[in-house]
Amino acid sequence: AQTVTQSQPEMSVQEAETVTLSCTYDTSESDYYLFWYKQPPSRQMILVIRQEAYKQQNATENRFSVNFQKAAKSFSLKISDSQLGDAAMYFCAYRSGGNNDMRFGAGTRLTVKP
Amino acid sequence: EAQVTQNPRYLITVTGKKLTVTCSQNMNHEYMSWYRQDPGLGLRQIYYSMNVEVTDKGDVPEGYKVSRKEKRNFPLILESPSPNQTSLYFCASSPWTGRYSNQPQHFGDGTRLSIL
Repeated sequence: AQTVTQSQPEMSVQEAETVTLSCTYDTSESDYYLFWYKQPPSRQMILVIRQEAYKQQNATENRFSVNFQKAAKSFSLKISDSQLGDAAMYFCAYRSGGNNDMRFGAGTRLTVKP
Repeated sequence: EAQVTQNPRYLITVTGKKLTVTCSQNMNHEYMSWYRQDPGLGLRQIYYSMNVEVTDKGDVPEGYKVSRKEKRNFPLILESPSPNQTSLYFCASSPWTGRYSNQPQHFGDGTRLSIL
C-alpha cells in the first residue's frame, strides 16, 4: 500500500517570508496524483494545489508552488510571502490513478509569526 | 452551492449507544468516502463507495458500517460506539471520470465525536 510521510510535525515562518513543507511518498505505480490540503482552525479541508505525476512541470497557484521530484518521490510545498491566514495544518495526499482512494500524511502544523 | 454536508458537527455520547453521522452531497458525485482524523496519524479511510450499492472497506473499518442507497447520501453508522472511536470524522466526495482524472475530493466540515 502507498504511504505518505510528512517529516515535519511543526513549522514556523515569519510573515512575508518563504517556507517549504516536505512530503515524501512510497509507491510502485506510475499513474498517480498528489495534493496539498490546508486545514485551518475551522477544520475545513481546503485544496491548495494538485500535481499530476505524468506532468514534469511543477504546479503553481498564486503564492503556492510545489517541487515535484518523481524519481525521489518527493512533493514539497513552497509558500511565498507568507500571510497570517496561511497558519493551518497542511496535509499531503496521494491518489492512485486507478481509483479515487487517497492516502494522507500525518500533517504539518504551520505557524506564521507577525 | 456545491457542498458536502455532515451532521451533526459535534456529538458527545456514551459507550454502546448506536449513532449515525449523515453525509450528503449535491454535486452528483459517484465516489464518496469516510475518514477519521487523529493527532499524528492524519486522515485514515474508513469506508468508501464507488456508486450506489457499492461499498468497500478502507484502512480502519472495524466498528463502523456504511450504506449507499442513494447517490447523494452516505451515512456512517457506529452500532456500538467505544471510546477508541472518539475522533474527528470527515465525509468526502469526488466525481469518477475514469483512470486519468485529477479530481480532488471535496470534504464536509467534519464531525467531532466523543464517546464516553
